Amino acid sequence: NAGVTQTPKFQVLKTGQSMTLQCAQDMNHNSMYWYRQDPGMGLRLIYYSASEGTTDKGEVPNGYNVSRLNKREFSLRLESAAPSQTSVYFCASSEQAFSNQPQHFGDGTRLSIL
Amino acid sequence: AQTVTQSQPEMSVQEAETVTLSCTYDTSESDYYLFWYKQPPSRQMILVIRQEAYKQQNATENRFSVNFQKAAKSFSLKISDSQLGDAAMYFCAYRDITQGGSEKLVFGKGTKLTVNP
Repeated sequence: NAGVTQTPKFQVLKTGQSMTLQCAQDMNHNSMYWYRQDPGMGLRLIYYSASEGTTDKGEVPNGYNVSRLNKREFSLRLESAAPSQTSVYFCASSEQAFSNQPQHFGDGTRLSIL
Repeated sequence: AQTVTQSQPEMSVQEAETVTLSCTYDTSESDYYLFWYKQPPSRQMILVIRQEAYKQQNATENRFSVNFQKAAKSFSLKISDSQLGDAAMYFCAYRDITQGGSEKLVFGKGTKLTVNP
């Protein structure tokens, strides 16, 4: 029962480096999301994809790009990492956007930018 | 913009007792969804309970229930017969369902619940 799988679980980068966080879900969900969680704060939405082929900005999109590769996979890219992007990143999926269907979360990726 | 406020950064409860976590939200919408998520030290976000704004009946899931007061924009979580495994961060979340608008799940800052044996 995999659900939402995120890779890697931990990563340390130097300022200016780039990297891609991977997310895959096996629940045949239409919608996928990327959040970040900073200490003392709830999750904040970075980007989402309501359906395959679409992506939209969330609350804090600056410094990030996303790709909905197919229905299963939704990646988050940091082109030039900055210390302010040190955070825990969560991927989530939902059966349908704009609905009462809950979002199912992955285990998170702890990312440190030095 | 919608906001979610959890006024209790930390709460504690004795095992087997009842505890209530508070949540208020601000919105101009009439239809929306509310959720409580649990985040144990393992970091995984786990859905505890959800409530549709159009439903007057409060949601219940086993030992977890909510007190939804739409006019007051309040959505509190009651945990009965608290267990050690209930210790976690609890996040209240609001979901806008406006078609054509921006999909978003807005989270509060969380309440850390400690369960004392």
